[in-house]
Amino acid sequence: EDQVTQSPEALRLQEGESSSLNCSYTVSGLRGLFWYRQDPGKGPEFLFTLYSAGEEKEKERLKATLTKKESFLHITAPKPEDSATYLCALNDYKLSFGAGTTVTVRA
Amino acid sequence: NAGVMQNPRHLVRRRGQEARLRCSPMKGHSHVYWYRQLPEEGLKFMVYLQKENIIDESGMPKERFSAEFPKEGPSILRIQQVVRGDSAAYFCASSQGLSSNTGELFFGEGSRLTVL
Repeated sequence: EDQVTQSPEALRLQEGESSSLNCSYTVSGLRGLFWYRQDPGKGPEFLFTLYSAGEEKEKERLKATLTKKESFLHITAPKPEDSATYLCALNDYKLSFGAGTTVTVRA
Repeated sequence: NAGVMQNPRHLVRRRGQEARLRCSPMKGHSHVYWYRQLPEEGLKFMVYLQKENIIDESGMPKERFSAEFPKEGPSILRIQQVVRGDSAAYFCASSQGLSSNTGELFFGEGSRLTVL
């Protein structure tokens, strides 16, 4: 059965303090790994899709990378507006989400 | 606003009542997905529908829950005889085709059900 595990559950950062979020997965055949951002009281918002090991995607201060067992979301020099819950999901057409990492960036 | 529209945003029901949650997908999207998010938990898939068809309902509880996506009008998630454990945020998402083709689902802002 496809499985996604995210760590840590919560991450508190000072503004400018770079860090990484982890998404470990087990899947019989990877058809894509997705990252979403969710703000409190809102629905998830799509960030990235990664399809193969070694692939990288970037958007502003976020960079997502993929290996055969894990994906990392790197946040470089975060700002308070990067505070959110970041979700990763496996693509089995209906998306299997991890529990998320809640990032809080203090000014 | 051409995004996914969900209503009501907040719904309060007493135990035993019925809850109906509505979702209008983005214009041009014919695939609708419903997810449930319990406090401190991740999004859990419930059901995937196309117009007039339920494609996958493997995440739906066997009793009290049903979903439809008629030819005309919004998709409806219906919960009969609600219990306190049904209290959660219910999110609808839509896509133009299978999410596996594009990797992207567009989510609504959710309907938050509270059962007293």
